[in-house]
Amino acid sequence: EAQVTQNPRYLITVTGKKLTVTCSQNMNHEYMSWYRQDPGLGLRQIYYSMNVEVTDKGDVPEGYKVSRKEKRNFPLILESPSPNQTSLYFCASSLVWGDSYEQYFGPGTRLTVT
Amino acid sequence: DAKTTQPNSMESNEEEPVHLPCNHSTISGTDYIHWYRQLPSQGPEYVIHGLTSNVNNRMASLAIAEDRKSSTLILHRATLRDAAVYYCILRHPDSNYQLIWGAGTKLIIKP
Repeated sequence: EAQVTQNPRYLITVTGKKLTVTCSQNMNHEYMSWYRQDPGLGLRQIYYSMNVEVTDKGDVPEGYKVSRKEKRNFPLILESPSPNQTSLYFCASSLVWGDSYEQYFGPGTRLTVT
Repeated sequence: DAKTTQPNSMESNEEEPVHLPCNHSTISGTDYIHWYRQLPSQGPEYVIHGLTSNVNNRMASLAIAEDRKSSTLILHRATLRDAAVYYCILRHPDSNYQLIWGAGTKLIIKP
């Protein structure tokens, strides 16, 4: 089954404790991205990747890191989480980037930083 | 800014057609119009997209105004499973690689 998976689905952590949210897709997609979703603000893009070893900042990259060492994986790293990073996070992928390509989204990771 | 304007919420009866409007008066000539939906407690899901002419797929139809300043997502026969937030999305004006997501329209289906 074609899908985007994220782990963990739920995470409660404390300020400053490094964490990684994994994202994996099994569709051989080139384009992957991370979003956060906060009430009243819609989805905002954090980082995206056009292909292996090619990443770039989205609208809200501060406090986040990403890497793309393999085509299927695109982990999101919070080196020193803070309470304002409490949010719902989604990973997405598409075959390539382009207006005529749909994005597939993961189920989401709900992160709480205390 | 190429951004969209949608009603905050809409209600419809089950098994009736639903027309979800979207205004995008600053759309550029090359921007596709994308629609996604987000069911409760799930990630967004692609619905449909188009450029100039009307589009149909198994989920919905997309009607695009001739001047492209507005579009309408049409669910031909809404079911309770169609209750979701529907997003009308355009490309980010400052980047080729981002989509602008607004607040969307919360669609409520009444049985």
